[in-house]
Amino acid sequence: SQQGEEDPQALSIQEGENATMNCSYKTSINNLQWYRQNSGRGLVHLILIRSNEREKHSGRLRVTLDTSKKSSSLLITASRAADTASYFCATDLNSGYSTLTFGKGTMLLVSP
Amino acid sequence: ETGVTQTPRHLVMGMTNKKSLKCEQHLGHNAMYWYKQSAKKPLELMFVYSLEERVENNSVPSRFSPECPNSSHLFLHLHTLQPEDSALYLCASSRHWTANEKLFFGSGTQLSVL
Repeated sequence: SQQGEEDPQALSIQEGENATMNCSYKTSINNLQWYRQNSGRGLVHLILIRSNEREKHSGRLRVTLDTSKKSSSLLITASRAADTASYFCATDLNSGYSTLTFGKGTMLLVSP
Repeated sequence: ETGVTQTPRHLVMGMTNKKSLKCEQHLGHNAMYWYKQSAKKPLELMFVYSLEERVENNSVPSRFSPECPNSSHLFLHLHTLQPEDSALYLCASSRHWTANEKLFFGSGTQLSVL
């Protein structure tokens, strides 16, 4: 069954604006990861947040995790046209092994 | 570049053909994965190899046959596929098959089954 589910499915913004994507999941997790995929290419890891962490930053990216609500958000600040891509959250179940389960993704379009 | 190379980038095959997808990682990782990405569906984990041993097989039809001859190479052998098998097949690797590891993906093979 699908573990992570992103919202919205698609997001269209102007350059310079902030983009926020959300991810909800159903069961206890070890960590949650965000990946980016340019059209027809492989996924690129952006950030990993562990279940005991609440917030992480990486450059223009900010990820939050609320385990009580089983949700995470990815904020991209001051977006650029090059940020146009699909963004996926992936949850790693609390099993001791890597069992990443991906959502369907949010397609972000940043217009110049 | 992510350090994970997949070939070919595109593949068109008939339902009676036999073909193989190849993945090579130059990262010294011990775990390798095959994922399937179909339109409008989440990525589906197909197989996991840890230290060249298959540790996960997620109810994948037998027309898909993985092979991991060493920790740097992973193959997916295809035979008598169906049109619904058309998808982007992604290979990934991680340092170990343990929690809190991030995956490094190849660019994928776009497969079309006619």
